[in-house]
Amino acid sequence: GIQVEQSPPDLILQEGANSTLRCNFSDSVNNLQWFHQNPWGQLINLFYIPSGTKQNGRLSATTVATERYSLLYISSSQTTDSGVYFCAVEWEGAQKLVFGQGTRLTINP
Amino acid sequence: DSGVTQTPKHLITATGQRVTLRCSPRSGDLSVYWYQQSLDQGLQFLIQYYNGEERAKGNILERFSAQQFPDLHSELNLSSLELGDSALYFCASSVWGTSYNEQFFGPGTRLTVL
Repeated sequence: GIQVEQSPPDLILQEGANSTLRCNFSDSVNNLQWFHQNPWGQLINLFYIPSGTKQNGRLSATTVATERYSLLYISSSQTTDSGVYFCAVEWEGAQKLVFGQGTRLTINP
Repeated sequence: DSGVTQTPKHLITATGQRVTLRCSPRSGDLSVYWYQQSLDQGLQFLIQYYNGEERAKGNILERFSAQQFPDLHSELNLSSLELGDSALYFCASSVWGTSYNEQFFGPGTRLTVL
């Protein structure tokens, strides 16, 4: 099956800093989603981005499908950005999301 | 709020028992997915239903079963529970069947087996 690797596994930053999270995947995908899991455990949709670039406020994402990676950018971090960020892909021939192991982001005041 | 609802939010039970987790998809979504999040296995796909029919199966144990009802809500039944079944169980829904298949997740049910 497809492999999804996220880096870095942990990231600790001060409020106001910028960050880049990476997701590499090993095969062609139909769907790629970024999620934020908050401290209460909720999975919040950030982006549906099988290819191209999208922006939503301080967050943006880019997927380069031909090179099999996606990047999530967070600018001017706030403490509420803390949590775990997951990349998940739906690869050709499958009908499920395969999740990476996540990047744990901690934003200190 | 994703529009996907799950009940109950928390469930504490004993080994050997049986529980039922319930999920209602977003309005208009015909497909429901169940995922399990545990500390050692991460987030893993269990099973998918589309308009009442099972469509895909992941690493779901034989002790677990699911169904989707005519009103599209779904239930995940876990039986002969073991300590290792303690996890966060998510339901997700999507339109499915088109090129756009974004999945939206419910708040999860946290199951603790004592």
